[in-house]
Amino acid sequence: GAVVSQHPSRVICKSGTSVKIECRSLDFQATTMFWYRQFPKQSLMLMATSNEGSKATYEQGVEKDKFLINHASLTLSTLTVTSAHPEDSSFYICSASYGGRVGQFFGPGTRLTVL
Amino acid sequence: GEDVEQSLFLSVREGDSSVINCTYTDSSSTYLYWYKQEPGAGLQLLTYIFSNMDMKQDQRLTVLLNKKDKHLSLRIADTQTGDSAIYFCAETRAISSGSARQLTFGSGTQLTVLP
Repeated sequence: GAVVSQHPSRVICKSGTSVKIECRSLDFQATTMFWYRQFPKQSLMLMATSNEGSKATYEQGVEKDKFLINHASLTLSTLTVTSAHPEDSSFYICSASYGGRVGQFFGPGTRLTVL
Repeated sequence: GEDVEQSLFLSVREGDSSVINCTYTDSSSTYLYWYKQEPGAGLQLLTYIFSNMDMKQDQRLTVLLNKKDKHLSLRIADTQTGDSAIYFCAETRAISSGSARQLTFGSGTQLTVLP
């Protein structure tokens, strides 16, 4: 149980375009979803925390107008990287949690490459 | 602030035990976790320990917690080549809304298992 999927797994786009990444909890209802960014050989950096039906809480230094998060249902959260630039290239990972289980459950990640 | 620190690399021979260490600073941590990340993948929750416990064993995995020294370790018995991965320790801290718990990750330890 507690399976989280992400789509797409890999995306390559041109500079200036927007990219949407989906995060779904497949077998549970996620009260909270988290979005992380991971650079090569580094730890995960929390970008934002989102609860269903409310605005996301962004970490310091993360531009909310750049990284749009929508958590419209208990099983789906989306991250849209707007006007992507090469420096946005990274591995983006989502996770989800719910009240009955300890910890967060992670998706497989999305590799974004901006040319 | 709250920091979680790990050594970056560990190499062991197949069949030996691996011990991965982690130190943390937040004395209010309630749960401490070990996650495993294989190349190009998300994080897999291996095990966790509640802060009032000293030890937890789950098959080949043993977690030791020294709350006084804020030291956490993960021992993998009979290490196999499939155990080669990055191992992250993490702790929870309550966010201001109280509705979810964020994870603070260590830098990760790259475990290499030599044949």
